[in-house]
Amino acid sequence: SQTIHQWPATLVQPVGSPLSLECTVEGTSNPNLYWYRQAAGRGLQLLFYSVGIGQISSEVPQNLSASRPQDRQFILSSKKLLLSDSGFYLCAWRLAGAADTQYFGPGTRLTVL
Amino acid sequence: DQQVKQNSPSLSVQEGRISILNCDYTNSMFDYFLWYKKYPAEGPTFLISISSIKDKNEDGRFTVFLNKSAKHLSLHIVPSQPGDSAVYFCAATTGGGNKLTFGTGTQLKVEL
Repeated sequence: SQTIHQWPATLVQPVGSPLSLECTVEGTSNPNLYWYRQAAGRGLQLLFYSVGIGQISSEVPQNLSASRPQDRQFILSSKKLLLSDSGFYLCAWRLAGAADTQYFGPGTRLTVL
Repeated sequence: DQQVKQNSPSLSVQEGRISILNCDYTNSMFDYFLWYKKYPAEGPTFLISISSIKDKNEDGRFTVFLNKSAKHLSLHIVPSQPGDSAVYFCAATTGGGNKLTFGTGTQLKVEL
């Protein structure tokens, strides 16, 4: 069966510091991968998605970037965090070419102070 | 522009009764709809989905109804259980599924 991992689970970072969140998927090959953010009291907003190694699509212009160095690894980064980057970050995967259901990881709670 | 709307931020239901969560959408190109359940500090868990070619899909205690003419879908939970207390998100996508558009969620509380 497929599993998705995210780390760290929680993170407190000062404004202006860099960020690296990692997501890995097990039990499947060539998944579509996604990064979402849930701000306090809001729905889930798609940030980036990837259909293959090195292929990144950005949905929202912002202070963040994403990379996919390996088939089942997806990384969310920032060079300098802003207060507005605080939120709950979720990674998700979907079988490429299959039904449209996306499956989510456990999430990372990021607090920027 | 909020293309998927959940107008009720919260809902309280007694254990054993029916919970009905509602969702409206504006984009007529959406052809696949999903419901997710989310506990605090956890990722959303997929519950049930429905394609636009259907008007009902059932899985155990969960049933999703789709009314395309009204651009409305609903999730029925029967009977409701205390463990169902969570935030429920509806989501929609067009063909290909690379972008799920989520509603803002409804907090369901099932009381004893």
